[in-house]
Amino acid sequence: RKEVEQDPGPFNVPEGATVAFNCTYSNSASQSFFWYRQDCRKEPKLLMSVYSSGNEDGRFTAQLNRASQYISLLIRDSKLSDSATYLCAVNPYSTLTFGKGTMLLVSP
Amino acid sequence: GAVVSQHPSRVICKSGTSVKIECRSLDFQATTMFWYRQFPKQSLMLMATSNEGSKATYEQGVEKDKFLINHASLTLSTLTVTSAHPEDSSFYICSARAGTSSAYEQYFGPGTRLTVT
Repeated sequence: RKEVEQDPGPFNVPEGATVAFNCTYSNSASQSFFWYRQDCRKEPKLLMSVYSSGNEDGRFTAQLNRASQYISLLIRDSKLSDSATYLCAVNPYSTLTFGKGTMLLVSP
Repeated sequence: GAVVSQHPSRVICKSGTSVKIECRSLDFQATTMFWYRQFPKQSLMLMATSNEGSKATYEQGVEKDKFLINHASLTLSTLTVTSAHPEDSSFYICSARAGTSSAYEQYFGPGTRLTVT
């Protein structure tokens, strides 16, 4: 099992839709979890940290499920500008391990 | 979020030459900096971790004599690709973290697209 796995997508959704991504991790000792957004040929940008109690930032909600070892990202009311690749990052050790990312395409 | 700069943004060099890439944290002190490489449609692959004032820790399979890393100050790390070959062509991205714990958030530089001809 890979350390961090994501469905590569693409997820094609219309504007205004709600979409959710999951990311599974293999090391149960992982302590820190993050979601990053990466636009084509650009660097990843931190979207949000994922806390044990779950957290929300505007239209974005992140959840952590330690028992099943996955984190999720929910995007409500999708905008065209949300089109990007979403990377999850997990720290099994002192460094972050990134998933390959899930591509989201929001269409008019 | 914190700002990390990277220079140059794009470089084309001939096979056999060396290329230096700079990574700077502009508004915070980066205790730890990371160097990643990303090939098209692939995930970020960590190459090495460097802590200010100490030698870099390289990931398995990354040649330390080919990819020279220097983290001389809390705001600057450099990656030198020595004797570059076409297979080294990739997107090199640095990131910086304010603390040694992985609970600190990492911020990425804009990346350097290296093309070796």
